Amino acid sequence: EPEVTQTPSHQVTQMGQEVILRCVPISNHLYFYWYRQILGQKVEFLVSFYNNEISEKSEIFDDQFSVERPDGSNFTLKIRSTKLEDSAMYFCATRGLYNEQFFGPGTRLTVL
Amino acid sequence: AQKVTQAQTEISVVEKEDVTLDCVYETRDTTYYLFWYKQPPSGELVFLIRRNSFDEQNEISGRYSWNFQKSTSSFNFTITASQVVDSAVYFCAQTQGGSEKLVFGKGTKLTVNP
Repeated sequence: EPEVTQTPSHQVTQMGQEVILRCVPISNHLYFYWYRQILGQKVEFLVSFYNNEISEKSEIFDDQFSVERPDGSNFTLKIRSTKLEDSAMYFCATRGLYNEQFFGPGTRLTVL
Repeated sequence: AQKVTQAQTEISVVEKEDVTLDCVYETRDTTYYLFWYKQPPSGELVFLIRRNSFDEQNEISGRYSWNFQKSTSSFNFTITASQVVDSAVYFCAQTQGGSEKLVFGKGTKLTVNP
């Protein structure tokens, strides 16, 4: 069973709009990650987040992306001005006891 | 450089056949972790196994087994007596050093036909 849920399962937006993707841990977690998977391609790391701070980010995670944990529970990924190439499946993950990462079911983002 | 190569793009087998999925990794670190994930047609990513660089023992879990060989930088995955439900894309992945960034291979799509 995944240790996180994600909402929405599918988001459709217009190019240039802001979107917020949400990740809700089922139990207490300190480590969070976002990855994306463009259709038919490999999974790519975006950012890791620990103790309310970004601990590592990839070159994909530019200024249009941001993450936060506003209420101590939900972990969000915001894309400020979406582009067509942001269309992808976005996965949130948390860390297990042995450094494994457990992924949520994903949010499919479609930018029109 | 950190890289994971899954040379097999697609594999098709008939049910009950054994199948091995190859994974070759590159790293400059002596400390690293290797993983396999399954992505069924429904799209979620399911964790299968984690192995650290200091533990070369092979592992068996039911019909699944993993062969880790540092000498060839490989971490291959074998499914014995495959079943239709094994049909999925399988990803090999790696973290290295103090980084928690998972670097994935491109995946191998396995189709098991009845």
